[in-house]
Amino acid sequence: GAVVSQHPSRVICKSGTSVKIECRSLDFQATTMFWYRQFPKQSLMLMATSNEGSKATYEQGVEKDKFLINHASLTLSTLTVTSAHPEDSSFYICSASVSSYEQYFGPGTRLTVT
Amino acid sequence: QKEVEQNSGPLSVPEGAIASLNCTYSDRGSQSFFWYRQYSGKSPELIMFIYSNGDKEDGRFTAQLNKASQYVSLLIRDSQPSDSATYLCAVKGSGGSNYKLTFGKGTLLTVNP
Repeated sequence: GAVVSQHPSRVICKSGTSVKIECRSLDFQATTMFWYRQFPKQSLMLMATSNEGSKATYEQGVEKDKFLINHASLTLSTLTVTSAHPEDSSFYICSASVSSYEQYFGPGTRLTVT
Repeated sequence: QKEVEQNSGPLSVPEGAIASLNCTYSDRGSQSFFWYRQYSGKSPELIMFIYSNGDKEDGRFTAQLNKASQYVSLLIRDSQPSDSATYLCAVKGSGGSNYKLTFGKGTLLTVNP
């Protein structure tokens, strides 16, 4: 099956700093990548949809200036959490779309802001 | 607001039994339906998807879709302790951004040895 990687898998940062998370599709070209956030015992909440070469589409309530998304190629999308605060601590998961029927998830990045 | 509802559980079944997981959705124009399994601390992994009314079988898993009732289910036959996880139902809606999925909150399944 399609493989999606994320880096880093875990990051701890101080409040006010920025963190970049990379999402790569390893064996396929993804036309669309998605960024989700999951708080403990909650479901996945879509943050934004990212298409290569164009601006990301953010979901309602997600601050685009705080969560910067860059989709530079068909295999790489990055999410930068700017000026992170403790309430941004969460499990961030990307996914890549192979077709309209399938979406494959990366292993996730656990962010802790102290 | 498009919604996907699941019983949060926990659903507990003995090893070897059939586990039945249910999901309802509000958007009647939804096109495709997905079941993901998520182990604690891990990201979701796709089990199967279905887009036509009826049943779709893949090994021990059977997805059932009834668009008239806006209902989709997942049956797991011969449940194993390794099936213990949270099962997420996801729905691909109608309209623009066709690849976007809406997830339910998940059902926690425990299979007891």
